[in-house]
Amino acid sequence: NAGVTQTPKFQVLKTGQSMTLQCAQDMNHEYMSWYRQDPGMGLRLIHYSVGAGITDQGEVPNGYNVSRSTTEDFPLRLLSAAPSQTSVYFCASSPAPTSGTSYEQYFGPGTRLTVT
Amino acid sequence: KQEVTQIPAALSVPEGENLVLNCSFTDSAIYNLQWFRQDPGKGLTSLLLIQSSQREQTSGRLNASLDKSSGRSTLYIAASQPGDSATYLCAGGDDKIIFGKGTRLHILP
Repeated sequence: NAGVTQTPKFQVLKTGQSMTLQCAQDMNHEYMSWYRQDPGMGLRLIHYSVGAGITDQGEVPNGYNVSRSTTEDFPLRLLSAAPSQTSVYFCASSPAPTSGTSYEQYFGPGTRLTVT
Repeated sequence: KQEVTQIPAALSVPEGENLVLNCSFTDSAIYNLQWFRQDPGKGLTSLLLIQSSQREQTSGRLNASLDKSSGRSTLYIAASQPGDSATYLCAGGDDKIIFGKGTRLHILP
């Protein structure tokens, strides 16, 4: 099983460039989310989705856009990269909390992004 | 707004000791509480998941408890080993799953 996959693993951008971080899961999970991790800050929630066509903001949404056109994919877009967005980005998925299952979160391996 | 706090931020203990890591949350309306381990430069490894209807879960030397009324969860590690050295993170919430900043654990050989 692939689980949660993220591409690319590493990326260097220049200030002002745009890019999309890809996240896909093959577990038919309804819930997906994006986090960023900075040194000493733990993981902070950027955006999340409770199902296809539904997205909402997390703790630190500014500078990021998301969409959820399919159950499997949840891309994160940086429209104009800034040095403050240098971070490690993790994608996660889980069953919906109302599904009656364990609602355990599964994480991808992360994308390390540097903005110069 | 859910806030998750982990105390202490760092902990060093001699090998073989039992230890407790603490996690507190401000909003008791959580679906579950999950504990993770993270090694330096690596991703997250799920350790234990406690659903909101449960009070504790056990896996090997690890035991996690959840008290929603007091907004607290603890991770108990028995007979600590140098291989347990890592950062331990807790996360909980409803639709928004919020993480604490973690406890950096160092087991002294």
